[in-house]
Amino acid sequence: NAGVTQTPKFQVLKTGQSMTLQCAQDMNHNSMYWYRQDPGMGLRLIYYSASEGTTDKGEVPNGYNVSRLNKREFSLRLESAAPSQTSVYFCASREGSGASQPQHFGDGTRLSIL
Amino acid sequence: DQQVKQNSPSLSVQEGRISILNCDYTNSMFDYFLWYKKYPAEGPTFLISISSIKDKNEDGRFTVFLNKSAKHLSLHIVPSQPGDSAVYFCAAKGGGSNYKLTFGKGTLLTVNP
Repeated sequence: NAGVTQTPKFQVLKTGQSMTLQCAQDMNHNSMYWYRQDPGMGLRLIYYSASEGTTDKGEVPNGYNVSRLNKREFSLRLESAAPSQTSVYFCASREGSGASQPQHFGDGTRLSIL
Repeated sequence: DQQVKQNSPSLSVQEGRISILNCDYTNSMFDYFLWYKKYPAEGPTFLISISSIKDKNEDGRFTVFLNKSAKHLSLHIVPSQPGDSAVYFCAAKGGGSNYKLTFGKGTLLTVNP
């Protein structure tokens, strides 16, 4: 029962390098989300996909791009990594029907940019 | 401007006693509220939620209270257990069809044996 799987779990990048964070869910959920969590901060929404084929900006989208590859997969890309993007990134999914359906989170990707 | 505020960064209680975690919000358009629990090196897990049309929701040892006039909600854990030690996040959903959550900064709960 995998739920939401994020890869990799850890990554160190140099400033200017690019990287794609992968997320896959096996719950047949319609909606998927990318958040970042910084020390002493709550989770902040980067991008989300309400359904396959759609993506929208969240609270902090600058410096990121996303792709909803299919219903299962939602990737987050850093084209030119900056130290300010050092964070823990969480992917989440949700069935999408009714407010009572909560988001389910992966265990995160810890990203350090030097 | 922080729309969801958890003003206590940490809380320490004795096993068996009540834990009360508080959350305040500023946006009157929020229509659904959730509490998530997070252990180190894991993702947040859903704990309990409440609609803005209710003032209380209970699930086992966990109860969430909502005071709309005060824009305040609280999570009560009774009795507290050492396994409840974690960071608790309050989250709020804006009104409308888009399901986007705004999270507070979290409160670290420590339950001492």
